[in-house]
Amino acid sequence: EDQVTQSPEALRLQEGESSSLNCSYTVSGLRGLFWYRQDPGKGPEFLFTLYSAGEEKEKERLKATLTKKESFLHITAPKPEDSATYLCAGPSSNTGKLIFGQGTTLQVKP
Amino acid sequence: AAGVIQSPRHLIKEKRETATLKCYPIPRHDTVYWYQQGPGQDPQFLISFYEKMQSDKGSIPDRFSAQQFSDYHSELNMSSLELGDSALYFCASSHPAGTRFAGELFFGEGSRLTVL
Repeated sequence: EDQVTQSPEALRLQEGESSSLNCSYTVSGLRGLFWYRQDPGKGPEFLFTLYSAGEEKEKERLKATLTKKESFLHITAPKPEDSATYLCAGPSSNTGKLIFGQGTTLQVKP
Repeated sequence: AAGVIQSPRHLIKEKRETATLKCYPIPRHDTVYWYQQGPGQDPQFLISFYEKMQSDKGSIPDRFSAQQFSDYHSELNMSSLELGDSALYFCASSHPAGTRFAGELFFGEGSRLTVL
């Protein structure tokens, strides 16, 4: 069964304290691994797509990496405005619909 | 840049009433997805349309129906509303199928439905 699992569920960091979020997946024949950011009461905002193991993408303080089994979202020197829920998703092996993980809620304190 | 437009943003209904949500995808996007997100939960896929035809179906109740029109906008119709239908409903659109970026979904701001 296609599944996307994220950890931790919640993460509290001090401003400037770097960390990583994990996303593991069991989608066979993965056709892209997606990261989204979601602020409370708003729609998920697309961040990155990773297509192959070893691929890395960066945007400001965020860097996403992909291995054959999991993806990491590294946050370097986070700021309070990085506080949000970060969702990982992969397209179902049967159809194109995205299967989301439960998300990691990040809180960055000043 | 144009984004996915959803309306209404907020909707309050009584049990057993009917509600309709509308979604206008990004221009030239041909696929529309509907997701339901309960409090503290991840988005759950309901249904999708490609070129005005239903392309996939998820955990959408039989009380719900949806369609995509000739101008690619989509409507989600919900009848016999129940308390458990209270949630954020997101619409997303994606690049044309077959393109490298077809899997990247762009979400609207969502429609918050409250059933009393």
